[in-house]
Parts: sequence; structure tokens; C-alpha cells
Amino acid sequence: EPEVTQTPSHQVTQMGQEVILRCVPISNHLYFYWYRQILGQKVEFLVSFYNNEISEKSEIFDDQFSVERPDGSNFTLKIRSTKLEDSAMYFCASSEGYRVSNQPQHFGDGTRLSIL
Amino acid sequence: AQKVTQAQTEISVVEKEDVTLDCVYETRDTTYYLFWYKQPPSGELVFLIRRNSFDEQNEISGRYSWNFQKSTSSFNFTITASQVVDSAVYFCALRASRSNDYKLSFGAGTTVTVRA
Repeated sequence: EPEVTQTPSHQVTQMGQEVILRCVPISNHLYFYWYRQILGQKVEFLVSFYNNEISEKSEIFDDQFSVERPDGSNFTLKIRSTKLEDSAMYFCASSEGYRVSNQPQHFGDGTRLSIL
Repeated sequence: AQKVTQAQTEISVVEKEDVTLDCVYETRDTTYYLFWYKQPPSGELVFLIRRNSFDEQNEISGRYSWNFQKSTSSFNFTITASQVVDSAVYFCALRASRSNDYKLSFGAGTTVTVRA
């Protein structure tokens, strides 16, 4: 069964450094998402992306964050200058384009980001 | 605004017992979609079931069943004859059907522990 793939599984970065989290969505999916989960807390929406542009973003997704689909398969989340509070599990998800609101979002295994 | 409440923080059962997870939601939308996801100890998010707001028929899928009551805004989930492998955090999630608003709003999750 097709899967959403995320790399790396664990990223350790010094505070203030830039980090790029990578995702390969399911190949025929058209909608892409990033969520994050701070340890022990609920999963929070960050951003959705469709047709090469952001379709919605949350308050968390401030100027430090950006997303990109650099080619036909990858979908990346960049954090420009990491802060301690960015430490979390980051999940990428994708969903089909047809009747998108009805379609489940399929999640990757997550990237655990640890900021030191 | 959308809100999902999972009042049960933790549930512990002995194998073969049934487990029912409660989910109550709030939304101003007349059409919406409800989902249950499972997060095992390994951390990934696994899609389990989906329900449309206009379809209140309750279903059973294997050991999973769900009870959607629009009148009380509840979408409860039951695992029948629980197994140790069912031990996980279970998240209820809600999505609107409006265009450009496809984000999932998650509840805080219920940790299920199934003891052998």
C-alpha cells in the first residue's frame, strides 16, 4: 500500500540553526499538510498546500516556517531559525484531490525534531 | 471554530474486554467529516475510520465499531475483544467541508492500555 515517507526520522539541531524536514507524499495525492505534536500533547495543524501554494496556515506557522514542493515528489518544511519550543514530532500528510474534504489524510511516520 | 473533546485521558483494560472511546465535537458547519486515528508507541498516525455528517448509519468493521449521534455531537469508537496490540493513543478528528479548509482538528487523545 502506498505510504507517505518522511526523512529523517530524528533530527537534532542547535537552537538558531535552520532545519529542513522532508516528505514524499503518496504519488497521486494532490493535497499536502504539515502537523506537529509536542510531546504528550495533541496533534496541531501547521499548513496545507495545494497547486503549489499554501491554501491555509495556522497561527503557529509564522515567518520562521516555509514549505516548498521543489520537484514532483518532495514536499519540505523549513524552519529558518529554530527555537527550543520547536522541539516536536512533525508529521507530513497527504490526501487525494477528488472530494478532498471526504478523503482521509494519510500520515507519514513523523520526524522527531530535537532542538538543543 | 471547530473543537474536538476527548474527555477520557487514559483507559486501561484487560485483554478481551471491550473499550469504548468517547468523542464530542463542536462545529458550525452543517456538513463535516469525522475520523479516528491510532498512534501506537512507535509514533506513527494510522487512519482507522471516517464518517460523514450526513450519514448516521453506524457500522462495524472487524473489531472496530462506531456510534455517530449527530443530536449529541458525539462520535464514539469501540474496540471489541481488545488485544495487547491495540495499546495506543487514539485521536478523534474533525474536518469541515468548506473549500480551502481541509485541516484536521484533533482531540487531545485517549491512551488505551490493554494488559495481557
